Amino acid sequence: AQSVTQPDIHITVSEGASLELRCNYSYGATPYLFWYVQSPGQGLQLLLKYFSGDTLVQGIKGFEAEFKRSQSSFNLRKPSVHWSDAAEYFCAVEAGTASKLTFGTGTRLQVTL
Amino acid sequence: DGGITQSPKYLFRKEGQNVTLSCEQNLNHDAMYWYRQDPGQGLRLIYYSQIVNDFQKGDIAEGYSVSREKKESFPLTVTSAQKNPTAFYLCASKDRDRGPRAFFGQGTRLTVV
Repeated sequence: AQSVTQPDIHITVSEGASLELRCNYSYGATPYLFWYVQSPGQGLQLLLKYFSGDTLVQGIKGFEAEFKRSQSSFNLRKPSVHWSDAAEYFCAVEAGTASKLTFGTGTRLQVTL
Repeated sequence: DGGITQSPKYLFRKEGQNVTLSCEQNLNHDAMYWYRQDPGQGLRLIYYSQIVNDFQKGDIAEGYSVSREKKESFPLTVTSAQKNPTAFYLCASKDRDRGPRAFFGQGTRLTVV
């Protein structure tokens, strides 16, 4: 079965600094990969997704992620963080015929001014 | 506007009572999912349904039940057998023919009092 690891539970960055959130997955083939963002008490909003092709994908709000097959990673990056980016971020994978999403445990991002 | 509607946003239940969470979508999606979210544990799959009148258990189905009598509706019942039901519940849907992207509702926070 597939699994997702987000090793950082909580990250604090200063506004304007760069950001990288880590995500590693375990699956025998290349799965579909996603990053979602969640504000407190809200649902999930899709930031970006990788299905195939170019391994660097662009998303909304200035986020990007790079798929690295050799490292089984799909890290999320942003060159300059804004205070409004403070939220919880989830990496997810979908694989297999059942089309189920498997989520990591999330990384909570705090932005200091 | 098309989307997924979960109701109510907040729900309180006495111990020993069953309670039903509503999830309705007007996206004409075939597949629907229920996830449970607890702090530090990410989202875990409770049940999912890929077509009307059919559903499968997810990773944590014990103490929950669902029905899928209509394409647009996928209610979740939290039964008295669920030992620790206090959590945030998220419903999602997906169009199986248009790729693996899932759309999420705004969630229901269930509290046992």
